[in-house]
Amino acid sequence: LAKTTQPISMDSYEGQEVNITCSHNNIATNDYITWYQQFPSQGPRFIIQGYKTKVKNEVASLFIPADRKSSTLSLPRVSLSDTAVYYCLVGDPYNQGGKLIFGQGTELSVKP
Amino acid sequence: GAVVSQHPSRVICKSGTSVKIECRSLDFQATTMFWYRQFPKKSLMLMATSNEGSKATYEQGVEKDKFLINHASLTLSTLTVTSAHPEDSSFYICSAGDADQETQYFGPGTRLLVL
Repeated sequence: LAKTTQPISMDSYEGQEVNITCSHNNIATNDYITWYQQFPSQGPRFIIQGYKTKVKNEVASLFIPADRKSSTLSLPRVSLSDTAVYYCLVGDPYNQGGKLIFGQGTELSVKP
Repeated sequence: GAVVSQHPSRVICKSGTSVKIECRSLDFQATTMFWYRQFPKKSLMLMATSNEGSKATYEQGVEKDKFLINHASLTLSTLTVTSAHPEDSSFYICSAGDADQETQYFGPGTRLLVL
């Protein structure tokens, strides 16, 4: 399973766009990139998943360069409720049966 | 998205007793579920893979006789912490994948406190 590296923490203000970059130099051909959000004392919540290029949903965008060695989660116009820990995970859901290894995550703090 | 539930949400027990935690996939079937534990301010640590109808696969360093896992149906996996001690106090979280396993959905977690 590819190892991921993220900033330990980030600060932002309400209304700003937040970009969290994750490095995964050893990503394998069949690996997908998935981002989760976790609030204190809750289970992680799925945000977005992608394989290459750009993926967008109602919550966030995910940018993946051609070499796939990194990815950037973009949160538009954050609010106080976006304060949470964000995890980037890389894995092959088909050959690993959904097994995920969590890294340290990025603690995002949104201030008023 | 798919819904995964856990029961109980929190439990307090005396040292030496056993505690069972249930993980259910509510609107889909899961042949594989995963169990994690999380200490305060730390990331999730994978404990084991729960396989429906067969033995669980444990990660290195996780005692299989301490953490008993049973996956008797396609919608239910249970984790039993046997002879619990204060150091077993933690946040236990399960996950289950949808049919194609592309996405893992997590339960809300169970807070265990062993006195």
